[in-house]
Amino acid sequence: GAVVSQHPSWVICKSGTSVKIECRSLDFQATTMFWYRQFPKQSLMLMATSNEGSKATYEQGVEKDKFLINHASLTLSTLTVTSAHPEDSSFYICSARVTRASVYEQYFGPGTRLTVT
Amino acid sequence: ELKVEQNPLFLSMQEGKNYTIYCNYSTTSDRLYWYRQDPGKSLESLFVLLSNGAVKQEGRLMASLDTKARLSTLHITAAVHDLSATYFCAVDNYNTDKLIFGTGTRLQVFP
Repeated sequence: GAVVSQHPSWVICKSGTSVKIECRSLDFQATTMFWYRQFPKQSLMLMATSNEGSKATYEQGVEKDKFLINHASLTLSTLTVTSAHPEDSSFYICSARVTRASVYEQYFGPGTRLTVT
Repeated sequence: ELKVEQNPLFLSMQEGKNYTIYCNYSTTSDRLYWYRQDPGKSLESLFVLLSNGAVKQEGRLMASLDTKARLSTLHITAAVHDLSATYFCAVDNYNTDKLIFGTGTRLQVFP
């Protein structure tokens, strides 16, 4: 149980185009999902918290107009990188939060590697 | 602001040896997580530590939590090559319920 999928697993796009990444909780419902980005040999940086039915909460320094997040259902959150540039190339990982015995646990998706040329 | 630091950042160790990775965090929390990441892959959950003095073991890895010292350790016993990966600790921020990740420790085990 508690499987999170992401699609696509990797994507190459041209500078100036937009890319949508999907994050799905396959066997549970998640009111809260998180989006992280990870540069090579670095840690995970939280970008935003995605809440079902409401606006995402972005971390300081993350452009909300560039990284559009939609959490339209209890099993799906999407991240759209708009007008992508080479500096947006990164590994994007989503996670879904589950409460078990009053404790939050996060289950991570397999990640999406974005390369902007 | 909650900060989470790990050391060492990089660890090269011989098979069969023991070593400890340290995770220090800056504010009160009693929920600490350890993850493993293989190159090009996402995170694999290793341990969830939920109280002061918690100790968990799985195979050659053992994790502990000292909330008073704001310190968690991940001890590796008799390392094998398959343990080569990057290990992250993460702390749950009470105020925000977000996970804050440590800097990561890249472990290489050689024969």
